[in-house]
Amino acid sequence: DAKTTQPTSMDCAEGRAANLPCNHSTISGNEYVYWYRQIHSQGPQYIIHGLKNNETNEMASLIITEDRKSSTLILPHATLRDTAVYYCIVRVAEYGNKLVFGAGTILRVKS
Amino acid sequence: DTEVTQTPKHLVMGMTNKKSLKCEQHMGHRAMYWYKQKAKKPPELMFVYSYEKLSINESVPSRFSPECPNSSLLNLHLHALQPEDSALYLCASSPDRNSGNTIYFGEGSWLTVV
Repeated sequence: DAKTTQPTSMDCAEGRAANLPCNHSTISGNEYVYWYRQIHSQGPQYIIHGLKNNETNEMASLIITEDRKSSTLILPHATLRDTAVYYCIVRVAEYGNKLVFGAGTILRVKS
Repeated sequence: DTEVTQTPKHLVMGMTNKKSLKCEQHMGHRAMYWYKQKAKKPPELMFVYSYEKLSINESVPSRFSPECPNSSLLNLHLHALQPEDSALYLCASSPDRNSGNTIYFGEGSWLTVV
């Protein structure tokens, strides 16, 4: 059911920006892109979501391409506590807007 | 406040036991969810409740029985489970099922079936 493709893992230096890509080439016009992360043994944490425009909050920025076929989550100054699995999810209307998790990207922030 | 509270945090049960997992939210959300997560795998949706009615059952075995007694509470009743049902069970809620509304997760209940 997952409509997204993410790299399996990425490394980032502490203090640098972490840019996590996501492909969602079959996204429809009314489908939102959501990002969650899950730190080991904890529940998934909501980060950000968007439809067409770029979005920013206190945690991250979400950049969505004009054709909406891909997006990038940006953590501006990664810390060791940002090490987690990051999930990019498209909520599909025909599936009842379910939140369907793919494999995600393991982000390792290193000092 | 975006808190979803799950109890117990840890549960060990035998295959003949009957137990329940509980979930509570006081955000006025009208959609609630149960997910199951096995080790090193992503969460998998089990059930969706919308306005206290079951709206999605992802072909979950009947040994898992959900219940939504009111808009703030969601239970998952467990009976005759198997060791392979050992997992992290996650509860979540959202204002409703519209795709623009954020879904918030609890910290989960770790279940071990012996």
